[in-house]
Amino acid sequence: DTAVSQTPKYLVTQMGNDKSIKCEQNLGHDTMYWYKQDSKKFLKIMFSYNNKELIINETVPNRFSPKSPDKAHLNLHINSLELGDSAVYFCASSQALVLNTEAFFGQGTRLTVV
Amino acid sequence: GNSVTQMEGPVTLSEEAFLTINCTYTATGYPSLFWYVQYPGEGLQLLLKATKADDKGSNKGFEATYRKETTSFHLEKGSVQVSDSAVYFCALSERTSYDKVIFGPGTSLSVIP
Repeated sequence: DTAVSQTPKYLVTQMGNDKSIKCEQNLGHDTMYWYKQDSKKFLKIMFSYNNKELIINETVPNRFSPKSPDKAHLNLHINSLELGDSAVYFCASSQALVLNTEAFFGQGTRLTVV
Repeated sequence: GNSVTQMEGPVTLSEEAFLTINCTYTATGYPSLFWYVQYPGEGLQLLLKATKADDKGSNKGFEATYRKETTSFHLEKGSVQVSDSAVYFCALSERTSYDKVIFGPGTSLSVIP
């Protein structure tokens, strides 16, 4: 069983479109994240949710809207896509308030905006 | 704020060479420290971790020691293999009322036969 799964794996779309990326974790974790990885492999946290509540919003354009219907899911919706949104987006989860917290990552969604 | 700095890559080594990837961090408290590895086309996976000063994390021949006095967590391996070619990320986890994992910029390693 995949611990953190995100779909789709690849997404090619035109500028101006609206798209969503879905993420689910079956680890029973309380905290979920979205990270953006650019072409130089730099990882930047975008959002963090803890028990469906937004905890971290790292200066992300409001075209990006996360939604957490329950603590096992954190979806990412992007409006009016721009060329600069092209990147690999990773969903991750971790168990909050645990000493040895590590993050478990999905396989990534490679978004290409043309 | 808290941050992680890594040596810049890419790093290219011959098989069986010794590997060191430097990592230093800035943190106000006592974070947990991690090394993650990303193989080509895959997501990140945890390689090793350490939760307090002087702890040594180890896995698959890789080691790193949590050095509070130098705020470092350097990754080492005595003899690298071609299969170790990947991007390596140093990371820290803040201990606040919620989790936040902060990553370094990543170091790309290529091992050639």
